[in-house]
Amino acid sequence: DTGVSQNPRHKITKRGQNVTFRCDPISEHNRLYWYRQTLGQGPEFLTYFQNEAQLEKSRLLSDRFSAERPKGSFSTLEIQRTEQGDSAMYLCASSFSAGADTQYFGPGTRLTVL
Amino acid sequence: AQSVSQHNHHVILSEAASLELGCNYSYGGTVNLFWYVQYPGQHLQLLLKYFSGDPLVKGIKGFEAEFIKSKFSFNLRKPSVQWSDTAEYFCAVNSFSGTYKYIFGTGTRLKVLA
Repeated sequence: DTGVSQNPRHKITKRGQNVTFRCDPISEHNRLYWYRQTLGQGPEFLTYFQNEAQLEKSRLLSDRFSAERPKGSFSTLEIQRTEQGDSAMYLCASSFSAGADTQYFGPGTRLTVL
Repeated sequence: AQSVSQHNHHVILSEAASLELGCNYSYGGTVNLFWYVQYPGQHLQLLLKYFSGDPLVKGIKGFEAEFIKSKFSFNLRKPSVQWSDTAEYFCAVNSFSGTYKYIFGTGTRLKVLA
């Protein structure tokens, strides 16, 4: 169990650019979650996958955001045409199943949009 | 809509003081309840969780929480805090409303003075 990893850890980009983040979950975990966290707030749910299927997307996830988990292993989160309001910490978590199962969080990717 | 409220945003205690952090949620159905902790420079990690059975749940590092269904509360307690408990604490709720979705509170930043 090497834990959940996220890359890059930090990303600085200019407004209007596209960015992509990667999350590698714990290998035997079926579920993968993406969250966004801004200063003074708790993690806000964005989307989650069970294996390769994206089961739910938050209304926070505008059309500029897309997430994939093509083979049910790693996942990517892409933000197109970034805006300054997208600046946040993007967290990934994984769990073995649903419900009361513990989520294991990665270190996050901190995005700064200039 | 589901929500989670943490009323204490910042708490400062001296070592050996007792701790109680409030968490209230709004949802009428069956819920699973969690407390996560984020130590400085570290990932979010699970402190304890409740999904059924004894409403008094014990977690790691001497923490416990009590689920009071009639009050929609899941308060976190520790009888005697240590300097190493300095961290940010997040309450979270997950419920099955079509799919499992986690809602986090805004967090409580605890500082323990040595």
